[in-house]
Amino acid sequence: EADIYQTPRYLVIGTGKKITLECSQTMGHDKMYWYQQDPGMELHLIHYSYGVNSTEKGDLSSESTVSRIRTEHFPLTLESARPSHTSQYLCASARGYSYEQYFGPGTRLTVT
Amino acid sequence: ELKVEQNPLFLSMQEGKNYTIYCNYSTTSDRLYWYRQDPGKSLESLFVLLSNGAVKQEGRLMASLDTKARLSTLHITAAVHDLSATYFCAVGNTGKLIFGQGTTLQVKP
Repeated sequence: EADIYQTPRYLVIGTGKKITLECSQTMGHDKMYWYQQDPGMELHLIHYSYGVNSTEKGDLSSESTVSRIRTEHFPLTLESARPSHTSQYLCASARGYSYEQYFGPGTRLTVT
Repeated sequence: ELKVEQNPLFLSMQEGKNYTIYCNYSTTSDRLYWYRQDPGKSLESLFVLLSNGAVKQEGRLMASLDTKARLSTLHITAAVHDLSATYFCAVGNTGKLIFGQGTTLQVKP
């Protein structure tokens, strides 16, 4: 079983608040990813990182930002949450030479 | 641009029946992955297929890969209710996984 963690698991927050979704993995994986997914729908890649100090935007435009200061940690920040940000956010990681991604449990965000 | 398409997107079937989910992709790749997602949960890895002709089986599920046809199949044998979930295929490309739309499987008693 993969060791990748996300906190919080559930978050209800008001419009305009700043939030940070945490993602940590203990497997020493170089690559990390953030996906956004509405219930029962497709996964949309919003950010990814191939190593420390490396971050890229994904295929879906997002108002969020990410950082990768440590290998094991890949937090996602929303400076000003809006109802359109309501979704599930999934974090994943993969070894440097592999495409197989291991997913965290997800954070379900509701912005009121 | 690599595109991954699954068919069907929704499947309702009776317990005990067999069925196949198809995953087509648009450019060459020999790295294909199947994931399962239960409602409200995250993704769980099911199969990793890394070469043409690869076949993997786990219980009532069997996955195969034909890289020449750019096609992977997920075959369900004698479905049971516990298999109800959404199944995603994903193809490896430029360091990322490109996911299909997902196939929601509903197995009725």
